Amino acid sequence: NAGVTQTPKFQVLKTGQSMTLQCAQDMNHNSMYWYRQDPGMGLRLIYYSASEGTTDKGEVPNGYNVSRLNKREFSLRLESAAPSQTSVYFCASSIQGNYGYTFGSGTRLTVV
Amino acid sequence: AQTVTQSQPEMSVQEAETVTLSCTYDTSENNYYLFWYKQPPSRQMILVIRQEAYKQQNATENRFSVNFQKAAKSFSLKISDSQLGDTAMYFCAFMKLLSGAGSYQLTFGKGTKLSVIP
Repeated sequence: NAGVTQTPKFQVLKTGQSMTLQCAQDMNHNSMYWYRQDPGMGLRLIYYSASEGTTDKGEVPNGYNVSRLNKREFSLRLESAAPSQTSVYFCASSIQGNYGYTFGSGTRLTVV
Repeated sequence: AQTVTQSQPEMSVQEAETVTLSCTYDTSENNYYLFWYKQPPSRQMILVIRQEAYKQQNATENRFSVNFQKAAKSFSLKISDSQLGDTAMYFCAFMKLLSGAGSYQLTFGKGTKLSVIP
């Protein structure tokens, strides 16, 4: 049982390049999330998906797009990367809120 | 909007001793959930303990326990018999339902870096 799988684990981009972070879960969870973690800031919600086919903005959505391809997969796209998007990105999923989230292992992204 | 405050950016404790990490939160909701997550150097986010706001009894998980004071909006984490493997960043988090969405948002504090000293 893999839980939540994120790829890649590390990535370096040049300013203006695009890329997609992939996330998949095998727990049959309905809801999926993307967070970013910056030093001294905790984790902040970028986008979430309550169910297949639906997505909504979180606290810090600017510069990002998402796709909920099916129940398992939820991808995060940076169309034109900026240095301010240098961060660690976490994908998570949940079946019910009172049990918290299951997190992936994170992607460390550096934009130079 | 909910806010979560962890007032101790860094703490240290001797191995086998007890340490308490503080957390306060601000909300107007009556039903919610609170969590502590641990993030070791591996970067993985690990659920330590959770508390349901409607339960007065404090949650415990082995060496980890909480002191939940709903009126004071306080949710501290006590680690007993500290071990070297407890060295990590600890995040307090508040969970609310995202209205009409069926999804739940975790709002995190900025974290407390705990070092366990041999």
